[in-house]
Amino acid sequence: EAAVTQSPRNKVAVTGGKVTLSCNQTNNHNNMYWYRQDTGHGLRLIHYSYGAGSTEKGDIPDGYKASRPSQENFSLILELATPSQTSVYFCASGPGRGQDTQYFGPGTRLLVL
Amino acid sequence: AQSVTQPDARVTVSEGASLQLRCKYSYSGTPYLFWYVQYPRQGLQLLLKYYSGDPVVQGVNGFEAEFIKSNSSFHLRKASVHWSDSAVYFCAVSRNNNNAPRFGAGTKLSVKP
Repeated sequence: EAAVTQSPRNKVAVTGGKVTLSCNQTNNHNNMYWYRQDTGHGLRLIHYSYGAGSTEKGDIPDGYKASRPSQENFSLILELATPSQTSVYFCASGPGRGQDTQYFGPGTRLLVL
Repeated sequence: AQSVTQPDARVTVSEGASLQLRCKYSYSGTPYLFWYVQYPRQGLQLLLKYYSGDPVVQGVNGFEAEFIKSNSSFHLRKASVHWSDSAVYFCAVSRNNNNAPRFGAGTKLSVKP
């Protein structure tokens, strides 16, 4: 069973603060992804990665950075958090081919006050 | 870039009734198409996917979907729904190797007893 874990599961942050969301996968998948989920928008792609050391911008990268220090770990960084970044964030991993299934983590609920 | 439209934000059906959730994609080439399900406070799980061959694909728990290229659609169907099918359903499209899938806004299904 493919396994993707996220930490923290819940986070309250202050406006202007730095937030780091972490994701770990034990599937040895090349690709990893960060999405945010908002009512009415579904899942929107923030950043993704093809492997260690690689990060690519998704559809809504502004205000976010990503880091892939190893095959297993992929972080999403909010340098200056804003209330508009309040959302549920999902990490996913996949082998990388277009037809491959993505495996999702349980999500992180972020509230920026 | 590819995109997905799920026109129905919410669908309510009675237990035992048939179900169709609509999905239309935008992509000029041959897409890879997915349906994922999200149960409350969980990540997404794959229901089924299409990438070649028979345009009618079978998934878990009696779900199926049909790829109709002429209509750019990939509607999800089930002959008889159960209360446990209540969840949010996402359609997604991918296009080639190393392409990050894009998701629709989701359809929240409620099954009445």
